[in-house]
Amino acid sequence: DAGVIQSPRHEVTEMGQEVTLRCKPISGHNSLFWYRQTMMRGLELLIYFNNNVPIDDSGMPEDRFSAKMPNASFSTLKIQPSEPRDSAVYFCASSPGGVFWTEAFFGQGTRLTVV
Amino acid sequence: AQKVTQAQTEISVVEKEDVTLDCVYETRDTTYYLFWYKQPPSGELVFLIRRNSFDEQNEISGRYSWNFQKSTSSFNFTITASQVVDSAVYFCALSLNSGYSTLTFGKGTMLLVSP
Repeated sequence: DAGVIQSPRHEVTEMGQEVTLRCKPISGHNSLFWYRQTMMRGLELLIYFNNNVPIDDSGMPEDRFSAKMPNASFSTLKIQPSEPRDSAVYFCASSPGGVFWTEAFFGQGTRLTVV
Repeated sequence: AQKVTQAQTEISVVEKEDVTLDCVYETRDTTYYLFWYKQPPSGELVFLIRRNSFDEQNEISGRYSWNFQKSTSSFNFTITASQVVDSAVYFCALSLNSGYSTLTFGKGTMLLVSP
């Protein structure tokens, strides 16, 4: 299996622009997570999907952030408009989910820089 | 709400020294899972171990060992005879045993192993 695939790996954008991060989870996994990593706050959960349905989006910072999972094999995280404080590494992870946790498999992350 | 504390921000050792990374967790649930992940300089998050709350047996995997003590809510990680390749940020994480649980991470401990 190819693992969780994220694109792009690096993104540099100007403040005010729209940014879209993409994630392809591992086939068969029904849970998908978006995490953000910064030096100050560490790894924070932004949103959690189960069977393509958003279950917990309490970590989404504000209305500028939105996430979708139109099908089991694709998810997007969109920031519009982007701000310099959004600069971080964004990780997507997937898990078989359900009651019995195995582990979450993480993608390689997207390093976002907003200038 | 659950919480994971990794009090050691950064540890520096010389190769071949043993090193222990501390992890203390908080949860009111009686059933939960604990994890350790490694983040090498390349940035990806690599799963190391998963332990459920009913299994307090210590585990050893090569130079790695884990000590789980429910009485002190700790899940410490020891690297024996450290090597330069062990240099990374190590994260401890907690997940509850429920259908819609997510991973809560500690802030991480940066381990620097010098030759």
